[in-house]
Amino acid sequence: QKEVEQNSGPLSVPEGAIASLNCTYSDRGSQSFFWYRQYSGKSPELIMFIYSNGDKEDGRFTAQLNKASQYVSLLIRDSQPSDSATYLCAVKGGSQGNLIFGKGTKLSVKP
Amino acid sequence: GAGVSQSPSNKVTEKGKDVELRCDPISGHTALYWYRQSLGQGLEFLIYFQGNSAPDKSGLPSDRFSAERTGGSVSTLTIQRTQQEDSAVYLCASSFLGPGGEQFFGPGTRLTVL
Repeated sequence: QKEVEQNSGPLSVPEGAIASLNCTYSDRGSQSFFWYRQYSGKSPELIMFIYSNGDKEDGRFTAQLNKASQYVSLLIRDSQPSDSATYLCAVKGGSQGNLIFGKGTKLSVKP
Repeated sequence: GAGVSQSPSNKVTEKGKDVELRCDPISGHTALYWYRQSLGQGLEFLIYFQGNSAPDKSGLPSDRFSAERTGGSVSTLTIQRTQQEDSAVYLCASSFLGPGGEQFFGPGTRLTVL
């Protein structure tokens, strides 16, 4: 059973701090990695994707991938209260067509 | 339209009735996915279409669930003889490429089975 694991949180950080969200996956053949943000009562919104080992930066967001450790993370710099949401990690495995989603980490940014 | 659309946005039905949920993907997207999300839970994969064919139906929870896609565009998810445990938000996503492409989600259909 291929799995994607995330700490459910809540992760609470003060406004302006760096929020670090982590995700591990079981399928060593996984190829593509995605971070989605989901506000309460809304559908998931794609914010980052990463395919290669290393860091990928987009504005205040940085995705980090370490395939050897089967670990992907999302850093949010200068966190804002509007970043408060549940962050879903999703992984496309080596053999199947669908994404496997983690259960998400709830982030709360306090003013 | 610019994004994935789904209808209806809300559906309340009685146990035992059949329901149809519709998804209209982003124009030009070849792949379409159905997920469901129960309250406070993660996303559960149901089925994936590449064009009009469904290479992966592994997530359909029972034979009461079926889906089709016509013209490489609109998809319908049908749930027959609904049960209370079917209550959830049903989400549709589409991607330009097949597996591995970035998926964009619609707003979802909230299904409540009384």
